[in-house]
Amino acid sequence: EVKLVESGGGLVKPGGSLRLSCAASGFSFNNYNMDWVRQVPGKGLEWVSFISSSSNTISYAESVKGRFTISRDNARNSLFLQMTSLRDEDSGIYYCARKKITATARYGMDVWGQGTTVTVSS
Amino acid sequence: EIVLSQSPDTLSLSPGDRATLSCRASQIVNRNNLAWYQQKPGQAPRSLIYGASNRATGIPDRFSGSGSGTDFTLTISNLEPEDFAVYYCHHFGSSPDTFGQGTKVEIK
Repeated sequence: EVKLVESGGGLVKPGGSLRLSCAASGFSFNNYNMDWVRQVPGKGLEWVSFISSSSNTISYAESVKGRFTISRDNARNSLFLQMTSLRDEDSGIYYCARKKITATARYGMDVWGQGTTVTVSS
Repeated sequence: EIVLSQSPDTLSLSPGDRATLSCRASQIVNRNNLAWYQQKPGQAPRSLIYGASNRATGIPDRFSGSGSGTDFTLTISNLEPEDFAVYYCHHFGSSPDTFGQGTKVEIK
C-alpha cells in the first residue's frame, strides 16, 4: 500500500522551531518529487515547499522562505521540513504529498499523508 | 504567480443533481499542469483529476474535467451522497504551486 505518514507536529511558542517528518512506504521514494502543503482548519490549501527526487531542485513559498528548510533522506524513505522562527500564522495542518510526473503525464499531488498539526501560540 | 479563482464558493445541490465547478487562472496555463482534488471534513485531500481532464486511479466516471487556457471545469454528474465535499483546483509546474480557494458542494 502506498502511504505517507507525517509526524513531529505540536505546540510551539512564537519564535520557536519544529521539525516535521514524513515517512513514505509502498513505493520507490527516491523516484518521486515531494511537496509540503499546509491548511488552516476551515480554510484552503497553501503550498509550502517542493523538493525534487534527488534534492537538486528546491523551492519555497515566499511566506516561509528563509525560515523553513525542506530536505529528504532517500535511504530512509523520509521527507523533512525544518521550521524556525515560527509565527502564529504558521499554525495549521501540514501535509506531505507525492508529486507524480512521468514522461507521459503530470499527475500533480497524487498521494497525500493524513497531516500533522502545528500550533504556534504563546 | 498564477492565481486560481474558483466559483461559486458554495454550491447547494441535491443527490442526483449535476454539479459544475469553475476554476479560472489569472493567465494562460498548460492544461497538463492543472489538477483537481476533493477534501472531506477531517480528511486529507484526494486526487481526482490530473491534466485537466484525466481521472485519477479509482475515481468514478461521474467525475469529469475539461477546459484549457484560463478556464477549467470540474463536472460531477448525478451527485452521490459521498460527493458532498470541498473541491480545489491546483496549478503546478512553475513555482509557486497555487490552489484555488475551494468550492464547497453542500446538500440542499
